[in-house]
Amino acid sequence: NAGVTQTPKFRVLKTGQSMTLLCAQDMNHEYMYWYRQDPGMGLRLIHYSVGEGTTAKGEVPDGYNVSRLKKQNFLLGLESAAPSQTSVYFCASSYHLDYNTEAFFGQGTRLTVV
Amino acid sequence: AQKVTQAQTEISVVEKEDVTLDCVYETRDTTYYLFWYKQPPSGELVFLIRRNSFDEQNEISGRYSWNFQKSTSSFNFTITASQVVDSAVYFCALRRAAGNKLTFGGGTRVLVKP
Repeated sequence: NAGVTQTPKFRVLKTGQSMTLLCAQDMNHEYMYWYRQDPGMGLRLIHYSVGEGTTAKGEVPDGYNVSRLKKQNFLLGLESAAPSQTSVYFCASSYHLDYNTEAFFGQGTRLTVV
Repeated sequence: AQKVTQAQTEISVVEKEDVTLDCVYETRDTTYYLFWYKQPPSGELVFLIRRNSFDEQNEISGRYSWNFQKSTSSFNFTITASQVVDSAVYFCALRRAAGNKLTFGGGTRVLVKP
């Protein structure tokens, strides 16, 4: 029962470097999300996708790009990392709205930008 | 715009005491969904409970219970007879019916001492 899997779990980047976080889900969920978690601020939505080939901006999209080429995968890219992007990143997935279900989360990726 | 407020940043109790976590939300929607998630020290987000806006019946599930009051826009969560394993950060979240994005509160850290 893999659920939602994030790769990598930890990463340290230098300012200006790029990287891609991978999220994979095996529950055939239509919806996928990327959140970032910062102390005292809960989780804030970066980007989300309502289906294969579609993406949309969330609350804090600047500095990030995403792609959903396959239904089971949702990629989060940082083209030029900045120290302000130091955070814990969570991917989540859920069924279509009509199912009224909760979102399932990955284990998180701790990213440090120095 | 939606907003979720968890005024308590940290609660410390002794084992077997009850703990009540407050959650106040703002939304203009008439139909919405409320959730509680637990984030233990290991970092993952674990779904606990869900409540629909059209169902104000309060329930008990094991040591967990919740009090949903639309009149005061509150969705409080209680852990009865707390245990050390309950030590975690607890997040309240809101989701609109027209859309599938979760809006999180800032979280409440619960520390249960033996």
